[in-house]
Formats: sequence, C-alpha cells, structure tokens
Amino acid sequence: EVQLVESGGGLVQPGGSLRLSCAASGFSVNDYGMAWVRQAPGKGLEWVSSISGRNGGPHYADSVKGRFTISRDNSKNTVFLQINSLRADDTALYYCAKGDRGDYANSWLDPWGQGTLVTVSS
Amino acid sequence: DIVMTQSPDSLAVSLGERATINCKSSQSVLYSSNNKNYLAWYQQKPGQPPKLLIYWASTRGSGVPDRFSGSGSGTEFTLTISSLQPEDVAFYYCHHYYDPPYTFGQGTKLDIK
Repeated sequence: EVQLVESGGGLVQPGGSLRLSCAASGFSVNDYGMAWVRQAPGKGLEWVSSISGRNGGPHYADSVKGRFTISRDNSKNTVFLQINSLRADDTALYYCAKGDRGDYANSWLDPWGQGTLVTVSS
Repeated sequence: DIVMTQSPDSLAVSLGERATINCKSSQSVLYSSNNKNYLAWYQQKPGQPPKLLIYWASTRGSGVPDRFSGSGSGTEFTLTISSLQPEDVAFYYCHHYYDPPYTFGQGTKLDIK
C-alpha cells in the first residue's frame, strides 16, 4: 500500500527555518515525481514545489522561490522541503503528494499524506 | 502563469440531483503532441487531505464512483456529479499540471439543499 507520512512542522518565529520530511512507503520516491502543496487555515490549496524522479530539476511557486528547497534521499525513501526565511503567510498545513506519471514532475497527485502544520508567529 | 478559475464558489444541490462545477484556465492545458488535457479534479472533505477524482480531464481515478465525470478541453472544463449523495458534501478543486507553476482553482464548496 502506498503511504506518505509528513513530519517536521511546528511553531517557528518569523525569519526562522524548518525542514519538512515526507516518508514514503509502498513505492520508491526515485521512480516518481513528488510534490508539496500547502493549505492556509480556512483557505484553498496552493501548489508549492515539485521534483521529478531521477535527475529531473525542481520547480517552485513564485511565492517560495529562493526560500524553499525540495530534495530527495533515495536511501531513506524520503522527500524533504527545507523552508527558510519564514513569514506569517507561510502558515499552513503542508501536504506531500505522489505524482502518478512515472518520474515526470508534471502529474496529477495521488495519494496525499495527512499533512504537517507550520505556524509562523512571534 | 496559468490561472485557474472555478465557478461557482459554492452551490447547494438536492440529493439525487445533478451537480456541475466549472473550471476555466487562462491558457490552454491541451498538449498538442499527445492530445491530452493536463487537468485534474480533487475532492476534499473537512479534516482530510484531498483525494484524486479525475485526471487527463476525464479519466476517473481508481475506486472513484461512476457518478463523477469530467469533461472539457483546452481552457474550459466541467466536473459533474450525476446524482448527489450525502457523502459528496465537500470542497472540489481543479488543478493543472501542464507547465509549472501547477496551480489550483480556488475551490468550490458543495452542500446539500
């Protein structure tokens, strides 16, 4: 069974950093595109970043470009999102999701994890 | 960047009746080389992560009931629920995966009338 479990969220002050993790099981993250999508409290879904499998480059939303970095550790079968220079408007539930088009980054997302909450506040 | 706009923002439909949600993209998401529309639909219930309903604009995801259908091409798309069931109360989002950034629509809230 394919499963995604996010961790690493928490309360952080503006300007701070966090490293979110997405532990995958039931498939190899090296073989599939992976994505992070966030949802601010009471708001809609916002695509944040995607990475293709194998040697594909990452993509970022303009709102996080230069501050967020997506990466993958194949040995741990885990995808990460390093988030720096955090702002109040980064407060959200961060979901990890698996692409379903092989190692392409441009894919529909299925399944999704339960999410990890990031709260940016002083 | 491609902007996805859904309509309406919310709607209420009687049980057993048809529900229709529209999604318009600011640019075509039809890829000419394979004639596929890079468009998906998701359902999100309160307290749950989104669940895939439709991909390639009209292909149902695994286990999705056949009362859910997707249609459209280019820039205009529709999600139809043929006979609304109580468990269909949720938010619905369209999402393009044509070119980054892979944006979502703002969401449509579906309730029972």
